[in-house]
This record gives sequence, C-alpha cells and structure tokens, in this order.
Amino acid sequence: GNSVTQMEGPVTLSEEAFLTINCTYTATGYPSLFWYVQYPGEGLQLLLKATKADDKGSNKGFEATYRKETTSFHLEKGSVQVSDSAVYFCALTIPGGYQKVTFGIGTKLQVIP
Amino acid sequence: DTGVSQNPRHKITKRGQNVTFRCDPISEHNRLYWYRQTLGQGPEFLTYFQNEAQLEKSRLLSDRFSAERPKGSFSTLEIQRTEQGDSAMYLCASSLAQGTGWTSRPEAFFGQGTRLTVV
Repeated sequence: GNSVTQMEGPVTLSEEAFLTINCTYTATGYPSLFWYVQYPGEGLQLLLKATKADDKGSNKGFEATYRKETTSFHLEKGSVQVSDSAVYFCALTIPGGYQKVTFGIGTKLQVIP
Repeated sequence: DTGVSQNPRHKITKRGQNVTFRCDPISEHNRLYWYRQTLGQGPEFLTYFQNEAQLEKSRLLSDRFSAERPKGSFSTLEIQRTEQGDSAMYLCASSLAQGTGWTSRPEAFFGQGTRLTVV
C-alpha cells in the first residue's frame, strides 16, 4: 500500500534558523507529492507540490525536491519566522486512481522569537 | 475561486444524537472527499464522490455514517447515534478529475473543517 513517513515533532527553532522536515514515502506507482500546512484550529492549506522526479516545489520561502531514488520529499526553509509555526503534513496521491490523499502523521513546528 | 466551504465550523453534541455536516466544494471540481482527523494525527480518508456517485468508502466509515452528494455539487456527512470516539475534525476536499487539467492541478483543496465534540 501507500504510506508517508515524516519526522515526529515537535520541532522548536529560533527565528531565522534553518528548517528541515524529513519525509519519505512508499507508493505503488508514480506518486504526486505535496506538503500541506495546518495552522491552529484551521483546515489544510496546500504549501507546495511536485509531480515528477527532480521537480522542486516552492512557495513562501519553503522548498522540497522530489527525489525518486531515495523516495523522499524533504521540506526546507532557509530562515523561519514566528508566523511559520504550524503543523506540516507530507502527502501523496497516485495518478490514475481516485486521487485520495495519503498523509503523514504531521510535524509540529514552533518558532520562538 | 471561493474555496471549499464547510458548515458548521464547530459542533458539540450529546452522545446518541445525530449530526449532519455540509460541504460546498469548488464549483468546477467534480471530485469530493471526506476525511477525519483526530488529535495529533494526519487526516484519514473516509469516502469519495465523483459527481453524485459515491465510488469508495473506507472501512473507517461504519454503518452509523452516511454521506451523500445528491446533485453532484454540495455534500452532506451524517453521523447517527454519535459516540465519544466520533469526536474529531471532519475535513472535506475537492479536486479536478483527470482529463480536465489534472496534470497541472493534481492537488486536493481542503475546507476549514468541522470540529465535532461528543459529550
């Protein structure tokens, strides 16, 4: 089956620190990969996506590169802000299917001033 | 694009009562999904509609749960005889099907969710 494994949090960083949240996946077929972000009490917002190997998704200073050889999609940001505090979910869908999303457990990020 | 809309945002109910949630997807999206998210976990798939047809249901969806999408637009999720274990965030999402620009927009768009508390 399909699964997503991401590092467990919480991750606590000081403002302007470098962020990495690791994500690896197992999938039948060639998945599309996503990072979603969830702010407290809110739903999920798409942060970035990549649909084929070596694609780099980027948004709001966050980046992730689709690495087929290591089945990974690690999230990075060079300088985090307090406003980045949220829960980050790595996720995948399989083309040709129902596009249901398989999520990781989520990684809580707390950025302190 | 007004986004996916869910109502209500919060619902507190007594155990044994029935509850119904509504989801209005993005208008041009023909695929609609329901997910459940419990505290500290990622969302888990419950069910999927393509237009008005319910094409897949998770084993998480017990007989007390029923979902409908009568005209292929909005959807409702009803939980009968609620139990404390039903307390969770219920998320709705919508997306485009393949052949309608899917290759450039494979992502699902999520609503704000309905937080259910069963007391």
